[in-house]
Amino acid sequence: KAGVTQTPRYLIKTRGQQVTLSCSPISGHRSVSWYQQTPGQGLQFLFEYFSETQRNKGNFPGRFSGRQFSNSRSEMNVSTLELGDSALYLCASSGDLAGGNEQFFGPGTRLTVL
Amino acid sequence: DQQVKQNSPSLSVQEGRISILNCDYTNSMFDYFLWYKKYPAEGPTFLISISSIKDKNEDGRFTVFLNKSAKHLSLHIVPSQPGDSAVYFCAASGIRDDKIIFGKGTRLHILP
Repeated sequence: KAGVTQTPRYLIKTRGQQVTLSCSPISGHRSVSWYQQTPGQGLQFLFEYFSETQRNKGNFPGRFSGRQFSNSRSEMNVSTLELGDSALYLCASSGDLAGGNEQFFGPGTRLTVL
Repeated sequence: DQQVKQNSPSLSVQEGRISILNCDYTNSMFDYFLWYKKYPAEGPTFLISISSIKDKNEDGRFTVFLNKSAKHLSLHIVPSQPGDSAVYFCAASGIRDDKIIFGKGTRLHILP
């Protein structure tokens, strides 16, 4: 089985722009979660989608949004980028809801905001 | 409020010895705990998990211990090998319909 893929792997944007990141889960997995990793902050939960519905949301501003398509692929959007949004964004999939289950992570998208 | 805490940012252990990574949590509703390992430029990979009904789970060189009364879990790696050098994340959740909360990670260095 192919693993979780994320595109693009690297991205450079300027403040005020918006960005869309993409995640393709493992085939058959219905849950996709997004995390932000910054130095010293670990992995911070953004949101989880399951069967096209947002099931959980972390403590991030409304500039961060996401969606999931019928084929379970997911996109994450960040609008009005700020310098502090520079981070590694990780996507993870699991067969069932993430809680109580192992998640499979993609390699991440490294976003740099200048 | 940090619900999952890994108080040691880094740890150095001699090759062949035991590595012990610690994790504390504050939410008594957590039912499921996981450890992930992360190499640079890669996503985290699952190592081992434990549910709240157990106090120990073993998988090869990796053992996770859970002390519910102390809200503490630990990951033991025996014997430590050079390939174990990585960042280790502790994570916790309720069962099923709950988000996963990760700690900030502990960087493990295995010394030759």
